[in-house]
Amino acid sequence: DTAVSQTPKYLVTQMGNDKSIKCEQNLGHDTMYWYKQDSKKFLKIMFSYNNKELIINETVPNRFSPKSPDKAHLNLHINSLELGDSAVYFCASSSVQGALGTEAFFGQGTRLTVV
Amino acid sequence: GENVEQHPSTLSVQEGDSAVIKCTYSDSASNYFPWYKQELGKGPQLIIDIRSNVGEKKDQRIAVTLNKTAKHFSLHITETQPEDSAVYFCAVWPLGGKLIFGQGTELSVKP
Repeated sequence: DTAVSQTPKYLVTQMGNDKSIKCEQNLGHDTMYWYKQDSKKFLKIMFSYNNKELIINETVPNRFSPKSPDKAHLNLHINSLELGDSAVYFCASSSVQGALGTEAFFGQGTRLTVV
Repeated sequence: GENVEQHPSTLSVQEGDSAVIKCTYSDSASNYFPWYKQELGKGPQLIIDIRSNVGEKKDQRIAVTLNKTAKHFSLHITETQPEDSAVYFCAVWPLGGKLIFGQGTELSVKP
């Protein structure tokens, strides 16, 4: 029974297109995140939502727009895709934002390739 | 903001040897230090963590040490096995703040 699931696992698209990645967690967590992992494996936080409200918005282009219809879902929509957007995107969730000892659970990732 | 440095970036050991990965952080207020393991094609998964009121924690073959004065913490894996091969990330998660990862260490255990 998958705790944090993302779809799709792979996404290949052309420059300029708009695409979405979906994420769902069945852990009952209040907080969800999007992380970007570049080709050097570096993991960088993009967004954090707590109970459907945006609480962290890192320096991410406006072309990236997260949407949380309910606290179990956090989708990522990307407009006008660029070559530099190619990366692996991870959704994650935790019970509380930054509480001592909180574990973050990650999805399997979505490998986005922009051609 | 918090900054986490991780070394080495790659580490190759023989099966049965020990592996050590080191991290330093910048914010002295940080008080929770998890370690994540990422296997190929999967997301990171928590393997061990340590809180600032503890100097060392052990779980079977893995252990983590923390030196708050020097602001560094380390992961120790003993009796390494091929299935330990993965990318390991140290992280810092300040109270109410963001989970910040180190740059990652690609560990290769050769049979």
